[in-house]
Amino acid sequence: AQTVTQSQPEMSVQEAETVTLSCTYDTSESNYYLFWYKQPPSRQMILVIRQEAYKQQNATENRFSVNFQKAAKSFSLKISDSQLGDTAMYFCAFMKPLPGGGADGLTFGKGTHLIIQP
Amino acid sequence: KAGVTQTPRYLIKTRGQQVTLSCSPISGHRSVSWYQQTPGQGLQFLFEYFSETQRNKGNFPGRFSGRQFSNSRSEMNVSTLELGDSALYLCASSQTPGTDTQYFGPGTRLTVL
Repeated sequence: AQTVTQSQPEMSVQEAETVTLSCTYDTSESNYYLFWYKQPPSRQMILVIRQEAYKQQNATENRFSVNFQKAAKSFSLKISDSQLGDTAMYFCAFMKPLPGGGADGLTFGKGTHLIIQP
Repeated sequence: KAGVTQTPRYLIKTRGQQVTLSCSPISGHRSVSWYQQTPGQGLQFLFEYFSETQRNKGNFPGRFSGRQFSNSRSEMNVSTLELGDSALYLCASSQTPGTDTQYFGPGTRLTVL
């Protein structure tokens, strides 16, 4: 079974600063997908960024980028120019396809509560 | 395109009762997955449906069941409710399971008294 570990339960930074959230995972699979989701106080789970394991290039989405280190099984999220609206729980998630189709379900880490201070 | 919708948004039940939650996926999405979120256990996978068939199931007792209809809408049912079933139940949809991104609904907050 896969496991996802987020070692930072809570982080706090000033607005406009850059912050990096860490995530490590454990798997014996070679084909899988990694995600960062954010969950603001509304509890709506929102996709931040996605990374395919077969791609060496790190994914980026505007102010959000990842550092994907496949050999180290590390998948960190960098938020540049942080904004007050970035305050949320951030979850790292792992997904692998099943043989013959279907999904194994997302495996989530415990989350990092990110607080952006004005 | 409308997002994933879940009804009801809030529900209060008593122990021993049963409950049915509904999820309508994004138009064109045929895969629906369900997750339970609690402060103690975090986010846990319940089951996944694709083309009206349950393709995969998480480690939950048989009291948790679900189904998917021909229009891809899905329902999950919890029978004989226990206090520990109090949680946020999240539904997610994707076009193709296992490869496509899952997009989540707003969740149903279930409180069992």
